[in-house]
Amino acid sequence: GENVEQHPSTLSVQEGDSAVIKCTYSDSASNYFPWYKQELGKGPQLIIDIRSNVGEKKDQRIAVTLNKTAKHFSLHITETQPEDSAVYFCAESGGTSYGKLTFGQGTILTVHP
Amino acid sequence: GAGVSQTPSNKVTEKGKYVELRCDPISGHTALYWYRQSLGQGPEFLIYFQGTGAADDSGLPNDRFFAVRPEGSVSTLKIQRTERGDSAVYLCASSPSPGEYEQYFGPGTRLTVT
Repeated sequence: GENVEQHPSTLSVQEGDSAVIKCTYSDSASNYFPWYKQELGKGPQLIIDIRSNVGEKKDQRIAVTLNKTAKHFSLHITETQPEDSAVYFCAESGGTSYGKLTFGQGTILTVHP
Repeated sequence: GAGVSQTPSNKVTEKGKYVELRCDPISGHTALYWYRQSLGQGPEFLIYFQGTGAADDSGLPNDRFFAVRPEGSVSTLKIQRTERGDSAVYLCASSPSPGEYEQYFGPGTRLTVT
C-alpha cells in the first residue's frame, strides 16, 4: 500500500535559522502533497500544498519542493520564529489513494529564541 | 467562516461500551473524512464520504466501527464494544469535493477507553 517516510523525527533550530523536513513516498501515481502543522491539543492545519505538475511553491517564509522522479518532497521554513514550533506532517494523495491522505510520522520542530 | 467542529472534545468510556462521535463539516463541503491519530503518530485514514454515501471505508479497522452521514452534512462515527486499543484522537476533515484535495481538519475528539 501507500507509504510515506518523513525525516527527521525531531528538529531543533535557533530563531532565524532555516528548517528543512523531507518526505519520500512510494506510489508513483500520487499527485497531491500537502503539509500540515499541528499544535498541542489541536487538529492539523494545512499550511502549504503542491501538485505534481509543479516543482516548487512558496508562501512567504514557507516553501515546498517536489521531485517526482525521485519521489520525494520537502518543506523549507526560513527565518524561523518561536511560534513555528509545532509538529509538522507531510502527506500524499491521488493515484490509488484518491480522496484520502496518507501521512508521514511527523517532525517535532522546536525553535529556540 | 466556521471551520470543522467536533463533539465531544473529550470522551472517557469503559471497555465494552458504545460511543458516538460527531462531526460538523464546513458548510457546503461535500466530502467528509474520518482519521484516527494515536500518540506520536500521523493521522490514519478511516473512511470518507462523498455526499451521503461512503466512497471508501477501507481504513475502518473492523466491524465494530461504523460511520453515517444521512443528510450529506453532519457525520457520526460509531464504535461498538469499545476496547482499550481504540483510545486515540479521532479527527474529522472536510473538503469542497474529493477532487479538490484540500482537507480542513477539526480539533478532534480524544477518546479514552478505560
